Amino acid sequence: AQSVAQPEDQVNVAEGNPLTVKCTYSVSGNPYLFWYVQYPNRGLQFLLKYITGDNLVKGSYGFEAEFNKSQTSFHLKKPSALVSDSALYFCAVRDRSGSNYQLIWGAGTKLIIKP
Amino acid sequence: DVKVTQSSRYLVKRTGEKVFLECVQDMDHENMFWYRQDPGLGLRLIYFSYDVKMKEKGDIPEGYSVSREKKERFSLILESASTNQTSMYLCASSLPVVGRGSYNEQFFGPGTRLTVL
Repeated sequence: AQSVAQPEDQVNVAEGNPLTVKCTYSVSGNPYLFWYVQYPNRGLQFLLKYITGDNLVKGSYGFEAEFNKSQTSFHLKKPSALVSDSALYFCAVRDRSGSNYQLIWGAGTKLIIKP
Repeated sequence: DVKVTQSSRYLVKRTGEKVFLECVQDMDHENMFWYRQDPGLGLRLIYFSYDVKMKEKGDIPEGYSVSREKKERFSLILESASTNQTSMYLCASSLPVVGRGSYNEQFFGPGTRLTVL
């Protein structure tokens, strides 16, 4: 079965430290991978995506993510966290092998950045 | 700036009522989606539509129906609201999977928090 796992419900990081939010996936074929962020009381916003090419993808607000095919992972990273990065982060994947319009979503990881 | 709007931010209804949630996008997107978001469960797809008058069931369509009479508008209908439909409802839109090459990046509305009493 196709799935996306975000193994941490919550990640706590001190401001200025590097952050990582983990995502692993299981799909048939080569995936399209996405990260979205949800700030309090707001809808989801697209952060970045991996389609093909360079395994390191850069996105909005200084975030980047690394696609690792052998580990089936797509972890979100930022070198220096800001308090304003505190939000709910979702990983999603679309299976490229079919004509499916759907995304498969992780359960979300709450990121808390402490001053 | 791209925009997806939803008719209400907060809604309180009673069990058994018929509930309409409206979503409008101004990006001329072919695809539109309705999700519900519950803590610890992520986003679950209720229905999606890839064209006017076209719809397909998502993962949890039971108790819901949809309507897409115009390209920009996608409505979610709770035929007879129940307490287990209390949730955050998110609408999204995207370009098609093929043709315009957007790779299914979705744009979301702000959400409607529905409480069924």
